[in-house]
Order: sequence, then structure tokens, then C-alpha cells
Amino acid sequence: RKEVEQDPGPFNVPEGATVAFNCTYSNSASQSFFWYRQDCRKEPKLLMSVYSSGNEDGRFTAQLNRASQYISLLIRDSKLSDSATYLCVVNTRGAQKLVFGQGTRLTINP
Amino acid sequence: NAGVTQTPKFQVLKTGQSMTLQCAQDMNHNSMYWYRQDPGMGLRLIYYSASEGTTDKGEVPNGYNVSRLNKREFSLRLESAAPSQTSVYFCASSPWGGSSYNEQFFGPGTRLTVL
Repeated sequence: RKEVEQDPGPFNVPEGATVAFNCTYSNSASQSFFWYRQDCRKEPKLLMSVYSSGNEDGRFTAQLNRASQYISLLIRDSKLSDSATYLCVVNTRGAQKLVFGQGTRLTINP
Repeated sequence: NAGVTQTPKFQVLKTGQSMTLQCAQDMNHNSMYWYRQDPGMGLRLIYYSASEGTTDKGEVPNGYNVSRLNKREFSLRLESAAPSQTSVYFCASSPWGGSSYNEQFFGPGTRLTVL
């Protein structure tokens, strides 16, 4: 079983729609959680960290459920520019490395 | 600040050839990383250097060697390239001061094809 698992998609949604992704992690010692965004043929970039109480950044909301070991990302009022691959990323306590999910590909259609 | 830079951007090798991928960061980060990214596999850690003078294996280290030349530079060497090493290689760095702040900043990648 992979340490971090995501639905690879692709997700195709119309502009203005709300879309949500889930990600599960297997290591209960995981401490820090992130969503990264990767545009086609570009490097990954941090979208947002995920905090225990949940957090929001504009149209983006991230949630963490430690009991069920999953994190989620919700995108409201989606824009064409949101088309990208979204990577779920987990850090284990004491480990100086991140573990990346395989990514969920999202396409926003006009 | 240039952030994380990688050279070359593209490379084609023949099986058995060797090459070194270069990476440098100008953010005074302690930790540096090498990943490979293949379709459907996500990012997989090859090697990392938690601090200057140390290196550790990641998930897929076979066929690679690394050198942390100084705090700024971290190189990845393929001694005898194989077609299975065809991939996109990303270098990343992180401040990693022992706290939970460990965002990684990535270079633009090197697209390597081994024939």
C-alpha cells in the first residue's frame, strides 16, 4: 500500500463549479500536511498547508481528519487557471523528507 | 533571488553513458533533495541531504550517487545510464530548522531520456 494515495482523476469540471479531492495517508505518525500544485511540464509549488482545525485561502479550503487519516481540498467557483495536477503531501514526525501522492489531475472547462 | 536552479534542462544519453545533474539554491536552505517523476508514479525521492556534509538514501537510490558540494549545491550522478532512468528529475530545497516548517522549493526540472 502506498503511503499517500490519491484518486488520479482526471477530473473535468465546468468553470464556476465546486470540486473536491481526497487523499489518504497510511502512517499514523504523519505530522504535517500540504497541498502542492503542479502545472503541466512545470515544477510543483506549495498551494497551502493543512492545519488540524482546517484552513481556508480564498476559494481553497483544506481539511484534515486525523482519525480517518485523510485530508481534503475543496475548490469553490473554479477558474480556468485552476487546471493543474494537485499533489497531496505528508511529512512524518522527525523525518526530514516529504512523501508525495501521485497527484490528481484537474481540468476546468469553459 | 533565483531560488533553485538546475542544469541541464534537457539531456539525451545512450545506455551506459554517465552524467551529472547540477542543482544550486540561493536561499541558504539546510536541506536539499533529488526526486524523479514518472507518469502515474508521482514524485519519488532518490536521495536527500538534511544538512551540509550529510546525504541519505530515499525511496529509489539504486543507480544514482549524490554529492553535497557545499550548502548551496547538490549534484546527482548517473554512473551508467539505463533506459529505466528516463524521467524528469527535480531538485528541491527546504529551510528545515527542526521545526515543522518544511516547505520544499523546487527547481524547474531536467528532462532526461536514455536511449
